[in-house]
Order: sequence, then C-alpha cells, then structure tokens
Amino acid sequence: DVKVTQSSRYLVKRTGEKVFLECVQDMDHENMFWYRQDPGLGLRLIYFSYDVKMKEKGDIPEGYSVSREKKERFSLILESASTNQTSMYLCASSLTGQSYEQYFGPGTRLTVT
Amino acid sequence: GNSVTQMEGPVTLSEEAFLTINCTYTATGYPSLFWYVQYPGEGLQLLLKATKADDKGSNKGFEATYRKETTSFHLEKGSVQVSDSAVYFCALRGTYKYIFGTGTRLKVLA
Repeated sequence: DVKVTQSSRYLVKRTGEKVFLECVQDMDHENMFWYRQDPGLGLRLIYFSYDVKMKEKGDIPEGYSVSREKKERFSLILESASTNQTSMYLCASSLTGQSYEQYFGPGTRLTVT
Repeated sequence: GNSVTQMEGPVTLSEEAFLTINCTYTATGYPSLFWYVQYPGEGLQLLLKATKADDKGSNKGFEATYRKETTSFHLEKGSVQVSDSAVYFCALRGTYKYIFGTGTRLKVLA
C-alpha cells in the first residue's frame, strides 16, 4: 500500500514564524504536490515537483516555497507565516503518466495566530 | 484551460436512496477522470477512475462512466448508507497537474 505521511496533524504557529511542513511517500513516486484546502474553495495547488530538485508553481504560490532534495520527501515552507495562511494543507504523490491517480496524506491543519 | 464543475452541495439523502453527483469537465485531449472521497478529518482517497472514453469506473457500489460526448463523469450509487457521508471530489489529470472540482458534501440520514 502506498503511504503518504505528513509530519504533523495539527500545528499552531505565531505570525511571522518560519514554518516547515514535511511530506514523505514510500512508493518511489516521481511527482509530489502541495495543496491547501479551504471551505468553499476546494483544493488549490500551491507547488508541485515532478522530479528531485525540480519544482513548479501552482495556482497560489505566493508566500510559500518548497524543497525536494530527495525523491521521497517534499517540504513546504512558509517563510513568514500570516493569519491568512491558516488552512488545511494536503500533500499528495503520484507516478508520471496520465492514467495514474494521486495518493494523499492525512493533512496538516495549520493555525497561525 | 482545463476545468471541472461539479454540483454544489450539500446533498442530503435517506439511507437506501439513489445517489447522483454531477460532474462535467472541459479539457484539451483525453484526460483521465477520477472521483475522490474525503471523510471527516482525513485526506482524500481515490474512489474510482476512468482513463478513456466509455470506461466505467466502479468501487464500493459507486459507479461513473466517462462520457466524451457530454464531457461528463457523473457519480452514482444505487443505495447509499450512513457511512457514505463524506465530501466527494471529481478531478481530471493533465500532463502533471490534477484539476479538482470544489467538492460535494453528502449527508446520509438513518
């Protein structure tokens, strides 16, 4: 079974802090993704990576950066957390190829106060 | 560009009722289509998928058929259970990125 794990289920941070969200997958997937999920807005893609050290901006990259130094790990970084980044963050991974589905982690609920 | 539109919820049904959640898409080429389900407090799980026109995906009593002529991928289940209460997302895959609908919340009452 594919497993995608995220470092925390719940996180509370203060405005201005640097925040790291970690995601690890164990099935050798090339592609990894970070989304945020907000009520009424569905899933919005922040960044994705199709290979080690490669990254592409998604629909809402402002205020975020990512790092992929190893194939199994994809980190999301909030350089200076703000209250409007309070959200549910979901990580996902997939194989390359149009017929392949994504596998999601359980999510991290981040609250910025 | 690619897009997915699904019916707004919430949808409230009695147990054993028939379920339809509508999903239509706009895409160049022939994308793969997916339905995901999200239970409270969890990430998304794949429910079913179809990779080409006229394919029918099915799982746990749910079905959806890839209709190219109507650009649709409607989710159906003949008899829903309380345990089916969740949020359902329709999605398509482009080259790398996935495009999701906004989700439809289903509530099934005993």
